[in-house]
Amino acid sequence: ETGVTQTPRHLVMGMTNKKSLKCEQHLGHNAMYWYKQSAKKPLELMFVYSLEERVENNSVPSRFSPECPNSSHLFLHLHTLQPEDSALYLCASSPVPGQVYEQYFGPGTRLTVT
Amino acid sequence: ELKVEQNPLFLSMQEGKNYTIYCNYSTTSDRLYWYRQDPGKSLESLFVLLSNGAVKQEGRLMASLDTKARLSTLHITAAVHDLSATYFCAVEPGTYKYIFGTGTRLKVLA
Repeated sequence: ETGVTQTPRHLVMGMTNKKSLKCEQHLGHNAMYWYKQSAKKPLELMFVYSLEERVENNSVPSRFSPECPNSSHLFLHLHTLQPEDSALYLCASSPVPGQVYEQYFGPGTRLTVT
Repeated sequence: ELKVEQNPLFLSMQEGKNYTIYCNYSTTSDRLYWYRQDPGKSLESLFVLLSNGAVKQEGRLMASLDTKARLSTLHITAAVHDLSATYFCAVEPGTYKYIFGTGTRLKVLA
């Protein structure tokens, strides 16, 4: 596997379910990000981890809970979601925290909340 | 409110034509990024612009940055069908604070 991978690629869940999204980067990067991409809205940065420590939380509802057990893996735990949470969730990584590097994105998880 | 606006939102152009996509932002940022997203796929980095007056070119795409005007442009020269995609600009007004534009959906017609 190369680059940034995400699983699952598609997820359908009910509002009472609990699920997790997984992201893995094989680039040796030290910063990882979760984004939400909704139709007709700009990409929204949700969480940022730098060296496994959360450094940014952009007013994201508590029904989204991130976890970064090491610099290669990032999870997004989901529970009691709402239909408006349906979106494409993108994971990204970058080499050095706080330095000027572009981000490398995974393919995304298409989430549908029913 | 921090905003990044792109114009146009949709662009349909003939092959061989030239066009420019504009990215205006409302906050101070010395860095600007351009990304490309193909339908159903993830974002791919195109350019990183680091200073006022920076210009970068790759193939038929050329990006420039004017930090005083808070404006970046992505110029397309002699468009080809393979350039059909959605293009996003993004600024970084602070550490870990990335703000993306709404995207410009480009369709190049044969």
